[in-house]
Amino acid sequence: AQSVTQPDIHITVSEGASLELRCNYSYGATPYLFWYVQSPGQGLQLLLKYFSGDTLVQGIKGFEAEFKRSQSSFNLRKPSVHWSDAAEYFCAVGFAYSGGGADGLTFGKGTHLIIQP
Amino acid sequence: KAGVTQTPRYLIKTRGQQVTLSCSPISGHRSVSWYQQTPGQGLQFLFEYFSETQRNKGNFPGRFSGRQFSNSRSEMNVSTLELGDSALYLCASSLDGNSYNEQFFGPGTRLTVL
Repeated sequence: AQSVTQPDIHITVSEGASLELRCNYSYGATPYLFWYVQSPGQGLQLLLKYFSGDTLVQGIKGFEAEFKRSQSSFNLRKPSVHWSDAAEYFCAVGFAYSGGGADGLTFGKGTHLIIQP
Repeated sequence: KAGVTQTPRYLIKTRGQQVTLSCSPISGHRSVSWYQQTPGQGLQFLFEYFSETQRNKGNFPGRFSGRQFSNSRSEMNVSTLELGDSALYLCASSLDGNSYNEQFFGPGTRLTVL
């Protein structure tokens, strides 16, 4: 079964500093990879996704992520964080059945991002 | 375009009761997935419905069930509630449920079991 590991439960970053959130996955083939963000009391919002092609993907809100097959990683980055980026970030993997549909996304446990003024 | 709506937003039940949660997907979306979010287990996939049929199911006991109506609205039911069922239940809709299509999440229903 596939699994997703986000090794950092909490990360504190100063406003304006760069950010990198780590994500490692375990899966036999190349999965579909996602990063979601969840603000308090909100559902999840998709930041970006990777299916194939260019291993550096751009997302919303200035986020980007790089897929590294050799390291089974899909780390999320942002060059300069804003106070509004404080939230919970989830990495997820999914794969599709050949007959259509999906087995649901497998999520990491999340990384809680704190922004210091 | 309206987003995914879930009702109710908050619910308090006691052990042994049953509960029904509702999800209205984005217009035109035919796939609805349900997830349970708890502090201990994180986000876990419950099941996915497409065209009124349960297509995929996660590793949850039979007390958790769902259905989808012809207008793609979905309900999930939990019978004989246990304390451990306290969680945020998230619904997500997508065009057809394929992994490459974005899943849009609702705000969730916060269920508390006393």
